This record gives sequence, C-alpha cells and structure tokens, in this order.
Amino acid sequence: DQQVKQNSPSLSVQEGRISILNCDYTNSMFDYFLWYKKYPAEGPTFLISISSIKDKNEDGRFTVFLNKSAKHLSLHIVPSQPGDSAVYFCALNAGNNRKLIWGLGTSLAVNP
Amino acid sequence: DGGITQSPKYLFRKEGQNVTLSCEQNLNHDAMYWYRQDPGQGLRLIYYSQIVNDFQKGDIAEGYSVSREKKESFPLTVTSAQKNPTAFYLCASSPRGGVRDYTFGSGTRLTVV
Repeated sequence: DQQVKQNSPSLSVQEGRISILNCDYTNSMFDYFLWYKKYPAEGPTFLISISSIKDKNEDGRFTVFLNKSAKHLSLHIVPSQPGDSAVYFCALNAGNNRKLIWGLGTSLAVNP
Repeated sequence: DGGITQSPKYLFRKEGQNVTLSCEQNLNHDAMYWYRQDPGQGLRLIYYSQIVNDFQKGDIAEGYSVSREKKESFPLTVTSAQKNPTAFYLCASSPRGGVRDYTFGSGTRLTVV
C-alpha cells in the first residue's frame, strides 16, 4: 500500500514553459515535504521543501505548493530549462523521525 | 569539503558471494541510511542508524546486514540470502534533528552475475 504516489512516471515540456510535478499522499500525519532531483547514476540532491504550516514555498524558479485538505503536493518550475531534465522525487516525513517516505519519481524532459 | 563517499561506483560479483559496500561521511551527521533503487521504483529503505552501535531494519532488510562501529562509517553487506541483489544502492546521512539536511552519496551499482 503506497503512502506516497507520483502518478505521472514521465513529463515532457518545452524550454521556457512551466513544469508541474505532482505528488499525492494518504497519511495525514506527514508534516514535512521535500522534493529531490536525481540525475542518472547519481544520488538525489535536495531541491526545496515545505512544512505543513505553510501552503507555498518559493526558491528562485522552483515553487512548492501544499494542499493539506487534498493531501496533494506540487512542484512548479518556471521557466523550465534543459538542465532541469532529471527524475524528481517527492519525499515525506512524519514527526521528524528522520525517515523519509519516497514517491516513485517523475522523469522530466525539458526540450530545447 | 564535507560529503558522503560511496565506493566503489560499480561492483560486479558472482552469485552466492557476499559483498560489502562502503559508505563514509565527514559531515559529522548522527544518522545514516541505506536505500536501494530499482528501475521504475522509488527509494526503498534497507537499514538505518541514528547513533553509533545502533541500527534498525528498514522496509527491505532481508538478505542485508550493516554495522555502525564509527560515526563516519556505515558499511552494507549484501549477503547470498538476498534473492535479487542487482540494484543501485544509495547511502545517505542526516544530522541530529531531522531530515532537512539529508545528504546522499553518489551510489554504487551492484551487478550480480
């Protein structure tokens, strides 16, 4: 039973447009939400995060939105760049116990 | 520069052999983790350790063993009991206090032939 779902395995967007990556979860105990970016044959790198007391967090071209009532998290990248092409994972934490629950990832391709 | 070092990057072993993957960090992080990634799958937690000389099983611990004798090191042994050991293995660490500074190594691709 998957607690964290990224329903789109892949996404393709044109350079300069907006990329929207989605993540749904089932457990209302999650209170900290992170997005990681991963290139092939490398470890994931932290991108942006949000706590449950907020509904939006912005860092440059990256914005994360949290809709707690819908148990839905999204990452917006605007404008998208070819270097953003990677796999994006959402990872969720409950109670700061240092364990993360991961989605399966969405592979983003940004086309020049 | 602080970071996590996993070695080797690629590892080949014969079926039935045990193999140990190295993970060393100089970030002074208390907690360390081992994950496995398979194609089309997310990261699955194998083992984690929140303090020296203590570790807990993750979601897929069967066929694996770990030790945490030093704060900097968290080696993972893939034993012959692991039925499908070919995968990409990732080590991570985080400081006391939570997941905001979760740092990953660059991974080890293990292939069992």
